[in-house]
Amino acid sequence: AQSVAQPEDQVNVAEGNPLTVKCTYSVSGNPYLFWYVQYPNRGLQFLLKYITGDNLVKGSYGFEAEFNKSQTSFHLKKPSALVSDSALYFCAVRDRGDSNYQLIWGAGTKLIIKP
Amino acid sequence: EAGVTQSPTHLIKTRGQQATLRCSPISGHTSVYWYQQALGLGLQFLLWYDEGEERNRGNFPPRFSGRQFPNYSSELNVNALELEDSALYLCASSLGQLSNQPQHFGDGTRLSIL
Repeated sequence: AQSVAQPEDQVNVAEGNPLTVKCTYSVSGNPYLFWYVQYPNRGLQFLLKYITGDNLVKGSYGFEAEFNKSQTSFHLKKPSALVSDSALYFCAVRDRGDSNYQLIWGAGTKLIIKP
Repeated sequence: EAGVTQSPTHLIKTRGQQATLRCSPISGHTSVYWYQQALGLGLQFLLWYDEGEERNRGNFPPRFSGRQFPNYSSELNVNALELEDSALYLCASSLGQLSNQPQHFGDGTRLSIL
């Protein structure tokens, strides 16, 4: 079965420190991978995606993510956290061979950046 | 470029009533997705429409239904409302059946059942 795991319900980071939000996935074929952010009382905003090519993907607001095929991971990173990065983060995966184009979502990770 | 718009922002109903939620996709997007998000938690996939047809459906009872209009806008109907239907309902759109394209979300409709 296809699945996405975000092993941490919450991540706490001090402002200015690097942050990592973890995501691992399980699909039968090759994946397309996505990260989204959700601020309170808002919809999800697309941050970045991995389709093919360079394993390090750069996205919006200074975020980047590294695709690791052997570890089936796609961790979200930022070198220096801002208080404004505090939000709910979702990882999602789609199997390239899935004719239903089903997007599988992680449960979300709450990121709290402390001043 | 206008984003995905949803209406109404908030909707208050009582048990047993019917609710209609509306969504306008980004111009040029033919696919519309509906999700339920309870209490700021994870997303539960409801429905996917593309080119006017229902393409996929999540594990929800038949009282959750919808449709997509010729202009690609969509509505979600929930009949016989139950207390557990209280949630944020999110609509997303994307460039048709292209699996490498991201979905773009509206800000949702907050449905409260009294």
